[in-house]
Amino acid sequence: DTGVSQNPRHKITKRGQNVTFRCDPISEHNRLYWYRQTLGQGPEFLTYFQNEAQLEKSRLLSDRFSAERPKGSFSTLEIQRTEQGDSAMYLCASGPTTGLNTEAFFGQGTRLTVV
Amino acid sequence: DQQVKQNSPSLSVQEGRISILNCDYTNSMFDYFLWYKKYPAEGPTFLISISSIKDKNEDGRFTVFLNKSAKHLSLHIVPSQPGDSAVYFCAASDDKIIFGKGTRLHILP
Repeated sequence: DTGVSQNPRHKITKRGQNVTFRCDPISEHNRLYWYRQTLGQGPEFLTYFQNEAQLEKSRLLSDRFSAERPKGSFSTLEIQRTEQGDSAMYLCASGPTTGLNTEAFFGQGTRLTVV
Repeated sequence: DQQVKQNSPSLSVQEGRISILNCDYTNSMFDYFLWYKKYPAEGPTFLISISSIKDKNEDGRFTVFLNKSAKHLSLHIVPSQPGDSAVYFCAASDDKIIFGKGTRLHILP
């Protein structure tokens, strides 16, 4: 399967703990996006990368959230000192940049539950 | 502020009829628009897109129309089939991709 892969699929953590999620994009894609989705809402933009460069981070995102894409391939999203409000589906997507605009293809997501 | 708006949370359409899902946007810098379909417990799946230099793009049963002056786009599905029941997200790009809240489409037998 050459789609976007996210691990783990599910994560339950206690409030105050740190969590890290991994995303492996489609291999030839140099764009990588992170989104968060809660019930009844659309995917909320968190951040995105062009190769290893982080292009933008949502101003709604607190400093507890950080993302990296060290070699321009896989990416990690870390949440420090988790809060119950962080419970959500975290989605990763990747896309090529062969033109002015291109589509993004999503993984299955990581569902985070903070208890 | 919500830059991409889908004002209908849900829509019910008879099987075989046309489904029309609407979307409005506020950012005039958006130049590429996309529709995604989402089933429960899965990530969104790309359906169809349109560049701002076009006003229509068709792919099989799916057609997207873009009205730039009104900052409005719509997705037409014809004929609607039971497997089309899902949540549909409108998205717009000015480089990063911004999503609406979605419309849940129910196809009635």
